[in-house]
Amino acid sequence: GESVGLHLPTLSVQEGDNSIINCAYSNSASDYFIWYKQESGKGPQFIIDIRSNMDKRQGQRVTVLLNKTVKHLSLQIAATQPGDSAVYFCAENPHNAGNMLTFGGGTRLMVKP
Amino acid sequence: AAGVIQSPRHLIKEKRETATLKCYPIPRHDTVYWYQQGPGQDPQFLISFYEKMQSDKGSIPDRFSAQQFSDYHSELNMSSLELGDSALYFCASSFVNKKTEAFFGQGTRLTVV
Repeated sequence: GESVGLHLPTLSVQEGDNSIINCAYSNSASDYFIWYKQESGKGPQFIIDIRSNMDKRQGQRVTVLLNKTVKHLSLQIAATQPGDSAVYFCAENPHNAGNMLTFGGGTRLMVKP
Repeated sequence: AAGVIQSPRHLIKEKRETATLKCYPIPRHDTVYWYQQGPGQDPQFLISFYEKMQSDKGSIPDRFSAQQFSDYHSELNMSSLELGDSALYFCASSFVNKKTEAFFGQGTRLTVV
């Protein structure tokens, strides 16, 4: 079935470097794509979302890029900090799916001091 | 700021027993969601409620049921528990017009033995 998934299970970066977490999706009929951060023992935390009619959206230290041509979503974290260490999930809200979010496989980001 | 409150945080049950998980959404949020996250897996959407009415249904087993009460808290009832039901169960809440900005609780870790 259609799904959201991630390329890499683990990403290790040096503190201060920029991080890029990727996500591939196959469902073209989604209204929103969302990035969540999940720290150990905690629930997913909303980071940023992007509507399907947008290509880029920026937040505080984060940028989400949406390439609908190749069905690719990425999360860029600037000046990665130890507190950014977590599992990052992309999720989508399929069109006509109401409130349902479909989560993709997580990527664990490890920040080395 | 008030967050989504879930109780209990941890629950151990035996096979074929029943369990009830509770969720108290952020005040004034009108939509509640339940997700199940197995070990090392993505959160899977179970069910959602808008203004106390079921709004969307995902991969929720027939053995599970949920409801939202007049005070907006929600309960997930699980019967005939199986070993495979062991997971983290997250509740989230949002405003219906900001469904991508769902705030998650810290989850209930259910262990079925």
